[in-house]
Amino acid sequence: DTEVTQTPKHLVMGMTNKKSLKCEQHMGHRAMYWYKQKAKKPPELMFVYSYEKLSINESVPSRFSPECPNSSLLNLHLHALQPEDSALYLCASSQPNEKLFFGSGTQLSVL
Amino acid sequence: RKEVEQDPGPFNVPEGATVAFNCTYSNSASQSFFWYRQDCRKEPKLLMSVYSSGNEDGRFTAQLNRASQYISLLIRDSKLSDSATYLCAVNFDSGYSTLTFGKGTMLLVSP
Repeated sequence: DTEVTQTPKHLVMGMTNKKSLKCEQHMGHRAMYWYKQKAKKPPELMFVYSYEKLSINESVPSRFSPECPNSSLLNLHLHALQPEDSALYLCASSQPNEKLFFGSGTQLSVL
Repeated sequence: RKEVEQDPGPFNVPEGATVAFNCTYSNSASQSFFWYRQDCRKEPKLLMSVYSSGNEDGRFTAQLNRASQYISLLIRDSKLSDSATYLCAVNFDSGYSTLTFGKGTMLLVSP
């Protein structure tokens, strides 16, 4: 049902790997977000892109690198992650200051 | 300070019961308010926005009390399919939908 599409749905990676999470929306939203959610915890904001520019970085470690190639796409590049980075990574989009719609998430496991 | 507090539950109710959840928030300048529903290992899905005048969507009623800084969700005639975690979310910023989520309240509806 979601109009925010995330790939892959599941990802297992080693601590030396480089991988990317991808997100796409076709609702014409001008703001896109990355949230991280650990088990039994609420989603926590990582990054906000507004009009394709990085607007908010919630002090996220540099091993997470966001990229917004265009208004419909949002990537999250991962490098040298730690096991504690294992979580559900949620992409979301909205018009500025309006309802937030989430993708189905990428369940990431770092070994 | 951006804090959103919820009773984690679980709330165990029989089918047909009425159940209410409350959520308090720390910042009186908060801009907008929402209830999300999250099933296990799934993304949060928007249930409803919350307005000062109160709003209703079928069996669900949401209320906002700005003076006391809390929002509520009332579910009437509970169904088995209502079993989920209910997250309240508050947007403390204008211009972006940077939601701060409560930890969620788990609802278990039994036959």
